[in-house]
Amino acid sequence: DTAVSQTPKYLVTQMGNDKSIKCEQNLGHDTMYWYKQDSKKFLKIMFSYNNKELIINETVPNRFSPKSPDKAHLNLHINSLELGDSAVYFCASSHDRTSGNTIYFGEGSWLTVV
Amino acid sequence: SQKIEQNSEALNIQEGKTATLTCNYTNYSPAYLQWYRQDPGRGPVFLLLIRENEKEKRKERLKVTFDTTLKQSLFHITASQPADSATYLCALDIGGGNKLTFGTGTQLKVEL
Repeated sequence: DTAVSQTPKYLVTQMGNDKSIKCEQNLGHDTMYWYKQDSKKFLKIMFSYNNKELIINETVPNRFSPKSPDKAHLNLHINSLELGDSAVYFCASSHDRTSGNTIYFGEGSWLTVV
Repeated sequence: SQKIEQNSEALNIQEGKTATLTCNYTNYSPAYLQWYRQDPGRGPVFLLLIRENEKEKRKERLKVTFDTTLKQSLFHITASQPADSATYLCALDIGGGNKLTFGTGTQLKVEL
């Protein structure tokens, strides 16, 4: 049973396209996140949702729009993809947004923009 | 701005030795610090959390120390094995809300 699952695992697409990455967690957690890991392996938070409500929105271009239809799902839609968007995107969840909660990561979605 | 730095990009040690990884931070006084392990092609996996009032925490062959005066955490793996080879990340909740900021990571390779 995968705790945090995201699809697709690999995505190759052309510049200018719009794409989505889906994420689901079956841990019953209230809080979900999107992290981006660049080519230098630096892992940085993008968004955080708590019970479907956006609570963290880092300095991310407007082309990135998260959507949380329910607290078990957090999808990431990216418009007008650019070469610099190529990275690994990790979905994650934690029991709630209290500091110190363990964060459970998905396996990542490898996005390559050509 | 907050900086979290981890020692050297790669650390190679021999099997059976103790690996020591360093995490240094500036401009912040975190209530706790976390360590994660990341294998190639996988997501990070939580290992240990240490609070500011704890000087040391252990879990099997793992030991973490936290010196809030030096603003440093040390992560030790004793009796290291090739299976311990991975990238190890330290992380702090800088702005609250469990918003983790990760360090640059240290790639550990344990050789036979």
